[in-house]
Amino acid sequence: GEDVEQSLFLSVREGDSSVINCTYTDSSSTYLYWYKQEPGAGLQLLTYIFSNMDMKQDQRLTVLLNKKDKHLSLRIADTQTGDSAIYFCAESMSRNDKIIFGKGTRLHILP
Amino acid sequence: KAGVTQTPRYLIKTRGQQVTLSCSPISGHRSVSWYQQTPGQGLQFLFEYFSETQRNKGNFPGRFSGRQFSNSRSEMNVSTLELGDSALYLCASFLRGGDNEQFFGPGTRLTVL
Repeated sequence: GEDVEQSLFLSVREGDSSVINCTYTDSSSTYLYWYKQEPGAGLQLLTYIFSNMDMKQDQRLTVLLNKKDKHLSLRIADTQTGDSAIYFCAESMSRNDKIIFGKGTRLHILP
Repeated sequence: KAGVTQTPRYLIKTRGQQVTLSCSPISGHRSVSWYQQTPGQGLQFLFEYFSETQRNKGNFPGRFSGRQFSNSRSEMNVSTLELGDSALYLCASFLRGGDNEQFFGPGTRLTVL
């Protein structure tokens, strides 16, 4: 069945890189996403990657996909206090399909 | 371009009551999805509407229903509220046939007492 797993917490020092990991079970996932949720807010799409890609970079964000291991990661370079939020990994099978979310990783920034 | 709007932002109801939540998608988006977010279960898909028709449905009981109007605005209704229905209800709008890039609203926080 469809399932997305990610660790619940991550603490990183300001200025360091944050790496948030995620595994998914359905090998037919076509789209893999990273969403950010700040307190009291909805979800903001950070980036997404197609299953036929290995890597995608967008400014401070780097997404790595290992399709063989069904492992997705999000690296945030030079982590800032404004990056403190919950990060959700998600997948969908096709363009018009529902999105399956992980439980979210709470990123805490240490001074 | 205005984002996704949801009303009301906060709602308090008692068990047994019913509630209607509203979502206005981004202009030009004709698809609206609804999700329930709770601390225990995370984000769970409720249903999706496109062109006033339900296109996709999650595993929620029949007490949860929705509809979409000709202007793409969507409502979801929960009847006979239970304590466990307390959650943040998020809606998202997107362009069907695009890259499934869903844009989320701020959510409606429902508390059932």
